[in-house]
Amino acid sequence: DAGVIQSPRHEVTEMGQEVTLRCKPISGHNSLFWYRQTMMRGLELLIYFNNNVPIDDSGMPEDRFSAKMPNASFSTLKIQPSEPRDSAVYFCASSPSTVLYGYTFGSGTRLTVV
Amino acid sequence: GENVEQHPSTLSVQEGDSAVIKCTYSDSASNYFPWYKQELGKRPQLIIDIRSNVGEKKDQRIAVTLNKTAKHFSLHITETQPEDSAVYFCAAENAGNMLTFGGGTRLMVKP
Repeated sequence: DAGVIQSPRHEVTEMGQEVTLRCKPISGHNSLFWYRQTMMRGLELLIYFNNNVPIDDSGMPEDRFSAKMPNASFSTLKIQPSEPRDSAVYFCASSPSTVLYGYTFGSGTRLTVV
Repeated sequence: GENVEQHPSTLSVQEGDSAVIKCTYSDSASNYFPWYKQELGKRPQLIIDIRSNVGEKKDQRIAVTLNKTAKHFSLHITETQPEDSAVYFCAAENAGNMLTFGGGTRLMVKP
């Protein structure tokens, strides 16, 4: 298995532009998580899907952020419009139906908004 | 909800010494406690985990201990090497079938 696959690895965009981050979870994993990591705030959970359904989106910062999971093998995190304070590393992670086997993280997308 | 506190936030040790990182959690119903290692510029990776039915687990130079009564668990690294330098995160399972992460510990092993 190739693991959790994220794209792009790096994204530089101008303030106000739309940004879309992509994630392919490990086949057979029922749960998918989007995290944001910054030096100041550490690892923050943004949203959690189970069987393609959003379960907890309380971590989504504001309406500029949205996430979808149209099928079991694909998820997107969109920021529109982007702002400099959105600059961070965004990780996607997946796990089997029970968390008791831990998460597998993707390589992350480093987003820079200028 | 679950709250996980991790200490210290930074730890510097001499190569060959031991390192200990401690975490406390708030939800007594938590049963699963993984540890992740994140090297600079890379993804967090699971290095060891422990379930609530055991008090200690060891894998070569790393070990985890769990005290359910006190609601704390620890990571122990013996004979540290420069390649152990990284940020380490503890986590605890919460009621929503998710993990709550600690704030991380930056471990620096000086050669």
